[in-house]
Amino acid sequence: EVQLVQSGVEVKKPGESLKISCRGSGYNFSDYWIGWVRQMPGKGLEWMGIIDPTDSDTRYSPSFQGHVTISVDRFINTAYLQWSTLKASDTATYYCARHRTRKWNYDAFSIWGQGTVVTVSS
Amino acid sequence: DIQMTQSPSSLSASVGDRVTIPCQASQDIGSYLNWYQQRPGKAPHLLIYEASKLETGVPSRFSGSGFGTDFTLTISSLQPEDIATYFCQKYDNFPQTFGGGTKVEIK
Repeated sequence: EVQLVQSGVEVKKPGESLKISCRGSGYNFSDYWIGWVRQMPGKGLEWMGIIDPTDSDTRYSPSFQGHVTISVDRFINTAYLQWSTLKASDTATYYCARHRTRKWNYDAFSIWGQGTVVTVSS
Repeated sequence: DIQMTQSPSSLSASVGDRVTIPCQASQDIGSYLNWYQQRPGKAPHLLIYEASKLETGVPSRFSGSGFGTDFTLTISSLQPEDIATYFCQKYDNFPQTFGGGTKVEIK
């Protein structure tokens, strides 16, 4: 079964750092771009960026560029989203998602992780 | 950046109704448009890609249409399990922005 499994709930304080993960299984991890999507409480979906596991080519939304880092370790089939300095406004559910078509970066997200809830509060 | 507008933000319909959900792009995006369903408390799920192509396993009551700037997701006969928020997404270029969503409720 093709699936993405994300790391668990995180509760952090403002100013702390965080790295959440997304592990793919059931397919050749390097063949498909993986993206991250933010959903703030009660709000819509926001496209953050995507990465090619083959060479770590990464494209960010201008809204998130410089605030987060997307990375990947293709040897353990895992993508990451990290913050160096969290803010209360980073409180959200974060989804990873895989593109539908092999080796294509303009595409739909056909496989989604279960989401990671991040709460940032003092 | 191209903006994706979904209006209304919510709608109410009866079981068996034909429901149409619009999505408008601020510039021409050709057929580079996807539709997702998100049930409460769940991850999103791909319904339609490339404006009108039905994803494998998605019921045939869902269909997509449109080109350029104006797109529509249609549910031919609303079912109770279709209660969800529906999001469009453009992917002609980066960022691959989502619309704000339309929440569908049962009347």
